[in-house]
Amino acid sequence: EADIYQTPRYLVIGTGKKITLECSQTMGHDKMYWYQQDPGMELHLIHYSYGVNSTEKGDLSSESTVSRIRTEHFPLTLESARPSHTSQYLCASSEEGGYFSTDTQYFGPGTRLTVL
Amino acid sequence: KQEVTQIPAALSVPEGENLVLNCSFTDSAIYNLQWFRQDPGKGLTSLLLIQSSQREQTSGRLNASLDKSSGRSTLYIAASQPGDSATYLCAVGAPDSSGYSTLTFGKGTMLLVSP
Repeated sequence: EADIYQTPRYLVIGTGKKITLECSQTMGHDKMYWYQQDPGMELHLIHYSYGVNSTEKGDLSSESTVSRIRTEHFPLTLESARPSHTSQYLCASSEEGGYFSTDTQYFGPGTRLTVL
Repeated sequence: KQEVTQIPAALSVPEGENLVLNCSFTDSAIYNLQWFRQDPGKGLTSLLLIQSSQREQTSGRLNASLDKSSGRSTLYIAASQPGDSATYLCAVGAPDSSGYSTLTFGKGTMLLVSP
């Protein structure tokens, strides 16, 4: 059973606040991802990680940062939230961390962030 | 830059109909193609994954085909049911600058199956 968790599920916060979106997986997967999705739009990759101490930026520029200190944990941080950060953030993981990845990505339920 | 297009954007059918969802991509240098399902307010559930060397994959009432050379994939749903109502997303796995695979998504097809 694929288990990947995201907290909080919903967050409403004021401009200028620092926030951290949590993502954890219990499958021991090497590769983890953060996507951003606006309503009716496609998912855009904003960060990913091949494994511990590895982080890469995705194809969509983001003011957020990530860290990967433990295999199972991949938090995303916004130092100063703005209304333009309002969106849904989806975390995913996959088993294969190497080339020619053939593995399915498993997604968490998402965090819906609203910045007032 | 890889671009993924899904047609139609929305589809409404009566229960029991067979239907086809279309996906096209611009760069044929891919590792794989995946179809996902997304229910409102929730994450994505993987339906099928087709490797670049394969032509099709089947799971239950679902059949996905891949024509890499023409940059097209289809998802065929047989005998549709109201529980199939969801948004279906196509995603292409292709190498990033380091050769690792990342996914590029289409905007999805919103499917409504009425009883």
